Amino acid sequence: ETGVTQTPRHLVMGMTNKKSLKCEQHLGHNAMYWYKQSAKKPLELMFVYNFKEQTENNSVPSRFSPECPNSSHLFLHLHTLQPEDSALYLCASSPRTHVAKNIQYFGAGTRLSVL
Amino acid sequence: GQQLNQSPQSMFIQEGEDVSMNCTSSSIFNTWLWYKQDPGEGPVLLIALYKAGELTSNGRLTAQFGITRKDSFLNISASIPSDVGIYFCAGQLSSGGSNYKLTFGKGTLLTVNP
Repeated sequence: ETGVTQTPRHLVMGMTNKKSLKCEQHLGHNAMYWYKQSAKKPLELMFVYNFKEQTENNSVPSRFSPECPNSSHLFLHLHTLQPEDSALYLCASSPRTHVAKNIQYFGAGTRLSVL
Repeated sequence: GQQLNQSPQSMFIQEGEDVSMNCTSSSIFNTWLWYKQDPGEGPVLLIALYKAGELTSNGRLTAQFGITRKDSFLNISASIPSDVGIYFCAGQLSSGGSNYKLTFGKGTLLTVNP
């Protein structure tokens, strides 16, 4: 248990569906992250939030929409996805983005399949 | 952008053997991290290195931050079946006061034969 919980663990959706991924951290951190992990590729940073403010959008398509209502919760809203969006989506948290020794702790991920 | 070369891509060893893997970068980092990812799970932090030349152990794991700040290695001694998984290196460089961007290697898949 890393203190970062992601739900659901598995999700299958059609290209016209709308779904949301949820992440919750119990570590008292103030920064939260979304990553995409595809087979045989390095982890790709998607979004960064620091104290609920988005500080990075790494050129992610608008069909992915993040939401951070507070420092403990992070959502990723999905709509009209493409089959190539199928991947493991990982959430991470860290103390905050502007501090030394800013270690990121990961959740178990949501395995997403887009049909 | 920064790139990390992690090698080997995969290893197949016998239980009890020692393992070594490494990462090299085209540019410097001021933090090196090693994570392990089990199937169906997220990466779990194994060791964090903050200073060039630093050598840190965590049980049977030992990692070093290269003197040039462009490389790091991870050693596992006396491997056991539960060491199976994918090992990732990650480098972090403070930039403009921010300290969060991790550059990940592609991972080393370790298989341990009992």
